[in-house]
Amino acid sequence: EVQLLESGGGLVQPGESLRLSCAGSEFTFSSYAITWVRQAPGKGLEWVSTISGSGDTIYYEDSVKGRFTISRDNSKNTVSLQMNSLRAEDTAIYYCAKPRRLGAVTSVDYWGQGTLVTVSP
Amino acid sequence: QAVVTQEPSLTVSPGGTVTLTCGSSSGPVTSGHFPYWFQQKPGQAPRTLIYDTNNRHSWTPARFSGSLLGGKAALTLSGAQPEDEADYYCLLSYSGAGVFGGGTKVTVL
Repeated sequence: EVQLLESGGGLVQPGESLRLSCAGSEFTFSSYAITWVRQAPGKGLEWVSTISGSGDTIYYEDSVKGRFTISRDNSKNTVSLQMNSLRAEDTAIYYCAKPRRLGAVTSVDYWGQGTLVTVSP
Repeated sequence: QAVVTQEPSLTVSPGGTVTLTCGSSSGPVTSGHFPYWFQQKPGQAPRTLIYDTNNRHSWTPARFSGSLLGGKAALTLSGAQPEDEADYYCLLSYSGAGVFGGGTKVTVL
């Protein structure tokens, strides 16, 4: 069974940094894109960032460009999201997710349980 | 970037049928948008119900079905159960990324 486990969430002040991790198991990690999706309290889902299996294709949603950096270490089956210059509006549950289809970068089928990021003074 | 629209809320009677829709500001939704549907209950992660317009995952009850309807993607729930009360999100694929709809809150009442 596909497993995705997020970690690294917490409470930070505006302007500070945080690094999230997503560990995958029970699938060939390097063959699949990983996407970060976030959900602000009481709000809908928002596509944040995607990295392809090889790491050569990367996408960022406009509001995080220049502040967030996604990367992966396929030897450790992990994807990281480095979040700098955090703002109150970045407060959300961050989910990592993967597609069912090899090579797909615009869909997600399997989800982790999420990690909460709170940005507050 | 395109905006994906869904009904904010819908109500269905137990055993009844309800159809949720998912539209795109860029034009008709087609199979090329690879429409997805997700269910999310309070305090839980989203769960994928439908992929690529009309395909159920192994865990998706047969009462959920996906289609294209009048230029939109559609999710039909036939024979609603109390446990189907949840938020439902669609996802459309565009070049570069997916875009989620704003979600539909379905009440079974």
